[in-house]
Amino acid sequence: DIVLTQTPLSLSVTPGQPASISCKSSQSLLHSDGKTYLYWYLQKTGQSPQLLIHEVSNRFSGVPDRFSGSGSGTDFTLKISRVEAEDVGVYYCMQSIQLRYSFGQGTKLEIK
Amino acid sequence: QVQLVQSGPEVKKPGSSVKVSCKVSGGTSSSYAISWVRKAPGQGLEWMGVIIPKLGITNYAQNFQGRVTITMDEDTNTAYMDLSSLKSEDTAAYFCANGGAYWAYWGQGTLVTVSS
Repeated sequence: DIVLTQTPLSLSVTPGQPASISCKSSQSLLHSDGKTYLYWYLQKTGQSPQLLIHEVSNRFSGVPDRFSGSGSGTDFTLKISRVEAEDVGVYYCMQSIQLRYSFGQGTKLEIK
Repeated sequence: QVQLVQSGPEVKKPGSSVKVSCKVSGGTSSSYAISWVRKAPGQGLEWMGVIIPKLGITNYAQNFQGRVTITMDEDTNTAYMDLSSLKSEDTAAYFCANGGAYWAYWGQGTLVTVSS
């Protein structure tokens, strides 16, 4: 099974400052169909997870443009250009290149 | 827009089973692929399994093989997740989510507590 490793596991960021989360996969997430099956989710306390980014770099509908995703193959990054208070929660990368999905361990973002 | 509404909280004894439902509305039934994900206290998100009725596919995570069964009643557009041989470590919030490669729509979550 594919293992996703996130770093760091926790972040404390001053509002208005940037934040970055890395996600490394044990196998390439580039499929023969040309798509890369890497996604980012945010779970806020007491809520269901919400989709932020699909296929590495595509923001889901309604996601602010301060969120961006990049990467290829096995190395991926989620960036928040200017953190806001509402961004608090746990961020997860997820892969679905096989029909056995898996998540990274999660990165907890808190505000300083 | 697709909506997923899950059944209410459950309290179960160790060794018993729990069945959580997820009613899907909106979209078209032929587009339904439903996954189940859980979030235990102090742990991260954990994928449990997926059902894709139009392809006749059901697939389960290795960690739950033999203990979880996911089904779909296509007449009522309701998905079910049945987890057996419950242990205290299965205490978690269980979520259903709609989509194939990724999940844009999620249920509200069902808290399952396993306690003697």
